Amino acid sequence: DGGITQSPKYLFRKEGQNVTLSCEQNLNHDAMYWYRQDPGQGLRLIYYSQIVNDFQKGDIAEGYSVSREKKESFPLTVTSAQKNPTAFYLCASNGGSNQPQHFGDGTRLSIL
Amino acid sequence: AQKITQTQPGMFVQEKEAVTLDCTYDTSDQSYGLFWYKQPSSGEMIFLIYQGSYDEQNATEGRYSLNFQKARKSANLVISASQLGDSAMYFCASRSLGDSNYQLIWGAGTKLIIKP
Repeated sequence: DGGITQSPKYLFRKEGQNVTLSCEQNLNHDAMYWYRQDPGQGLRLIYYSQIVNDFQKGDIAEGYSVSREKKESFPLTVTSAQKNPTAFYLCASNGGSNQPQHFGDGTRLSIL
Repeated sequence: AQKITQTQPGMFVQEKEAVTLDCTYDTSDQSYGLFWYKQPSSGEMIFLIYQGSYDEQNATEGRYSLNFQKARKSANLVISASQLGDSAMYFCASRSLGDSNYQLIWGAGTKLIIKP
């Protein structure tokens, strides 16, 4: 079955550490997205990518970085510059303008 | 810029009753799409239903239907015969169909709790 795989499901970060969240899709979608969700809140866009080797900042990109070396993969790095990284992170992909975004199961990031 | 408003932060509904979740949108685009997602406590985002601005009929998917009132700029989700498993957060989202980045604008969500 086609879908989006996010790993790990839970992640803990130490002070000053960078951590990377994985997102892989086998839907053959060009567009991919990273969202952050705080408890009881909606989704906020961190970064998105429409094509390999190209990506754009979303509304809350500070303290995060991404890469898009392959169509299938869009990893997110939460850097030490992100002072409040505790949140639920969702990765999504999209195949067309009238198509829904498909989501992974998310990664919960916490500070040790 | 587009904006989505969901005015109900939370709702309690008796099992087997119908539920209407409100969503209003603000856009100057002529061609746009409206989406509803369900997010259970486990966290995954589940796509429920889509309505295009040029669709003349309201979208339906099983127990879900979208009450689309274009003049009022509303796209309310109706769940018929609610079940305990419908308890979740529900998000309304919109997209300009001319946006080549396929970005979605999200509402703040409504937390629905179905009472047995």
